[in-house]
Amino acid sequence: GAGVSQSPSNKVTEKGKDVELRCDPISGHTALYWYRQSLGQGLEFLIYFQGNSAPDKSGLPSDRFSAERTGGSVSTLTIQRTQQEDSAVYLCASSLRSWGLTFYEQYFGPGTRLTVT
Amino acid sequence: KQEVTQIPAALSVPEGENLVLNCSFTDSAIYNLQWFRQDPGKGLTSLLLIQSSQREQTSGRLNASLDKSSGRSTLYIAASQPGDSATYLCAVGIQGAQKLVFGQGTRLTINP
Repeated sequence: GAGVSQSPSNKVTEKGKDVELRCDPISGHTALYWYRQSLGQGLEFLIYFQGNSAPDKSGLPSDRFSAERTGGSVSTLTIQRTQQEDSAVYLCASSLRSWGLTFYEQYFGPGTRLTVT
Repeated sequence: KQEVTQIPAALSVPEGENLVLNCSFTDSAIYNLQWFRQDPGKGLTSLLLIQSSQREQTSGRLNASLDKSSGRSTLYIAASQPGDSATYLCAVGIQGAQKLVFGQGTRLTINP
């Protein structure tokens, strides 16, 4: 079946502009995650959505970053007033809902490479 | 704070060799441990998932082990092939938070 898809695959923007990155999770996956992969920082967690629960935003690096998930499916990550340090690959992942001590496998999309000039 | 370390950072071996990649984590309170491979310019492909109650998982030429008490995992690759060349990432699912904490990865090159 279809995997996690992300768009655009590449985005070049000027410093100070806003950008929106989109993620379509695997059908039936209620959990959705955003991660960021940058040189020197590795892969770091940004935000987690589970159903209608309040998202875990603990990984967002500043208030310029926000994300929403509409209808429990598609998610958009928005970065306002982009800075050069925001340049990175933004990865989205989805999984089945985790219950108790069972933590399901996360499936990743191909990522969006963001370059801020 | 959970920290994940992968050693070595890079490894180059001739085709056909068996090899071991190492991953260590500082906090044993994990839900699971997942191994991924990442090809240049691509996303992550899940290789193996070990739940905290398990000690190992196998898939084809890959075998991953988990020792929670010592905070270690190994990924064993048998009879390596040039197509195995990629960056291998280890990640732990931490208790109390629905997220993965990643190591920095091991860049593996298999020489024909």
